[in-house]
Amino acid sequence: RKEVEQDPGPFNVPEGATVAFNCTYSNSASQSFFWYRQDCRKEPKLLMSVYSSGNEDGRFTAQLNRASQYISLLIRDSKLSDSATYLCVVNILNAGKSTFGDGTTLTVKP
Amino acid sequence: DTGVSQDPRHKITKRGQNVTFRCDPISEHNRLYWYRQTLGQGPEFLTYFQNEAQLEKSRLLSDRFSAERPKGSFSTLEIQRTEQGDSAMYLCASSFPGHPGTGANVLTFGAGSRLTVL
Repeated sequence: RKEVEQDPGPFNVPEGATVAFNCTYSNSASQSFFWYRQDCRKEPKLLMSVYSSGNEDGRFTAQLNRASQYISLLIRDSKLSDSATYLCVVNILNAGKSTFGDGTTLTVKP
Repeated sequence: DTGVSQDPRHKITKRGQNVTFRCDPISEHNRLYWYRQTLGQGPEFLTYFQNEAQLEKSRLLSDRFSAERPKGSFSTLEIQRTEQGDSAMYLCASSFPGHPGTGANVLTFGAGSRLTVL
């Protein structure tokens, strides 16, 4: 079993749709959580950190459920420019290694 | 330029040859990471440094791979006797450690070095 698992998709949605991605992690010592975005043939870039209380950044909302060991990302009012692969990332406090999921691919269509 | 730089961006080599990649991290970051990514997969951890010390290596990293960061600034990743299975994007990232919510452990990646082994 992988340490971080994501539904690979692809998710194909129309513009304006709301879409949600989930990610599960296996190490209960995990402390830091992130969502990264990766465009085709580009490097991953931080989308947002995920805090225990949940957090929102514009159209993006991230939630953490420690008891069930999963993280979610909600995108509201999808734009064409949201088309990308979304990577879930987990880190143990002060440990060097950040563990990535294999990503969920989103395509937003006109 | 305050980002992470990697060189070369592309490398095509024949099986059995040695290759070396260089990474220049963000100067304020004391941690430097190497990841490998193949199509359809997320980045896979290879190794990381805190300053000049190599603190962790993946169990998946064969002895053909070696990384250095001699002065705690730039790093090199060398692959000896390359195999076709080494073909991948090699990503370097840097960060600073700390507590969640401080921006710590947020990785800033370079554009990567794409290796093709023929």
